[in-house]
Amino acid sequence: QVTLKESGPGMLQPSKTLSLTCSFSGFSLSTSGMVVSWIRQPSGKSLEWLAAIDWDGDKYYNPSLKSRLTVSKDTSNTQVFLKITSVDIADTATYYCARLLTTRAFDYWGQGVMVTVSS
Amino acid sequence: DVVLTQTPPTLSATIGQSVSISCRSSQSLLHSNGNTYLHWLLQRPGQSPQLLIYLVSRLESGVPNRFSGSGSGTDFTLKISGVEAEDLGVYYCVQGTHAPYTFGAGTKLELK
Repeated sequence: QVTLKESGPGMLQPSKTLSLTCSFSGFSLSTSGMVVSWIRQPSGKSLEWLAAIDWDGDKYYNPSLKSRLTVSKDTSNTQVFLKITSVDIADTATYYCARLLTTRAFDYWGQGVMVTVSS
Repeated sequence: DVVLTQTPPTLSATIGQSVSISCRSSQSLLHSNGNTYLHWLLQRPGQSPQLLIYLVSRLESGVPNRFSGSGSGTDFTLKISGVEAEDLGVYYCVQGTHAPYTFGAGTKLELK
């Protein structure tokens, strides 16, 4: 059974660095073709793809946010991390991690973690 | 970035009614490898999105066959043949042909 779960600080101040963790089971990120992505959704709005990391360690970023994003994974291939630097109120959103297959479809999603940026 | 325009933004339906949602892309979603990476998601209230249809018309495992997808190039449609109460929520199209991935603004399906 594939599951993903996001964790994060809940709330942080503007200009700080947001650190998120996606813990997953039921698949290994070392398997060829596997990718884990980060996607966010401001309350009441649509979805925005942020970043992804694949089984080979290659990283992909949304150009609109690339300078502020860093995606990485742990050596056991059971966790993926996302850091967003210099956050501001516009980064307030629910952040999801999702598995991405070679079909380029997000087939499994985590429950999401709500992050509020506020002074 | 590729812009996906979904219509209508809101859809009111009765149980058993058949409905369609349109997703139009600002660029052709046909990849040079022959695949069209256009997918449909449903986000029920308070839940994470779930995959319904991938690669335009392929039904994700466990999804009822009242859902179907069609289209090509820049025009795509999701059809629900006989809406059920559990189908209420927001539907999104998403494309993976052109980086970065982009999503439509969503179509909210509600009960009339």
